[in-house]
Amino acid sequence: GAVVSQHPSRVICKSGTSVKIECRSLDFQATTMFWYRQFPKQSLMLMATSNEGSKATYEQGVEKDKFLINHASLTLSTLTVTSAHPEDSSFYICSARRTSGGAGTGELFFGEGSRLTVL
Amino acid sequence: AQTVTQSQPEMSVQEAETVTLSCTYDTSENNYYLFWYKQPPSRQMILVIRQEAYKQQNATENRFSVNFQKAAKSFSLKISDSQLGDTAMYFCAFMKSLRSEKLVFGKGTKLTVNP
Repeated sequence: GAVVSQHPSRVICKSGTSVKIECRSLDFQATTMFWYRQFPKQSLMLMATSNEGSKATYEQGVEKDKFLINHASLTLSTLTVTSAHPEDSSFYICSARRTSGGAGTGELFFGEGSRLTVL
Repeated sequence: AQTVTQSQPEMSVQEAETVTLSCTYDTSENNYYLFWYKQPPSRQMILVIRQEAYKQQNATENRFSVNFQKAAKSFSLKISDSQLGDTAMYFCAFMKSLRSEKLVFGKGTKLTVNP
């Protein structure tokens, strides 16, 4: 099956610093990746759609200058939380769709998630 | 905008028994896709089952089956012969189209399978 990996799985940082989270599709190419945020005992909220070679599309209410997304290759998307504050503490999850193969099924493959704690 | 509602925050079931998780949604679309995802304690989301709205036949994947009622906008998940490994959060999700690829998730149901 398709594998999506996120790194780091856990990160603790000081308020005001920036943190980068990587999302990699290990065995398939992904033109599009998605970034979600999940609060404890809550659902996943889509933050943005990451498109290879172009700018990300952000959902309403998500600050694009705070959550920088870069999709530099068909297998890697990064989310950088800039000037992090305690309220940015959350679980961030990425997902990816195959560029080919399962593209017609709508199935998305999810990473393991990254827990960010801002002190 | 589409919304997905899961009215059962938590459920429990005895091992080997059957449990049904509820999901309703709201959309004005006629063709769309519905999913059930499982998020075990390890956190990685896994697709359980998928249903295309244009198909009348309910999807089935081994012990997992759905009851898709398009007119009622209902999409429940039935887990038969529950196993301890089924313990997880279950999310119902809606996708407007394969082109949009955006998933709208419900709030989830925490299922515990008891020995």
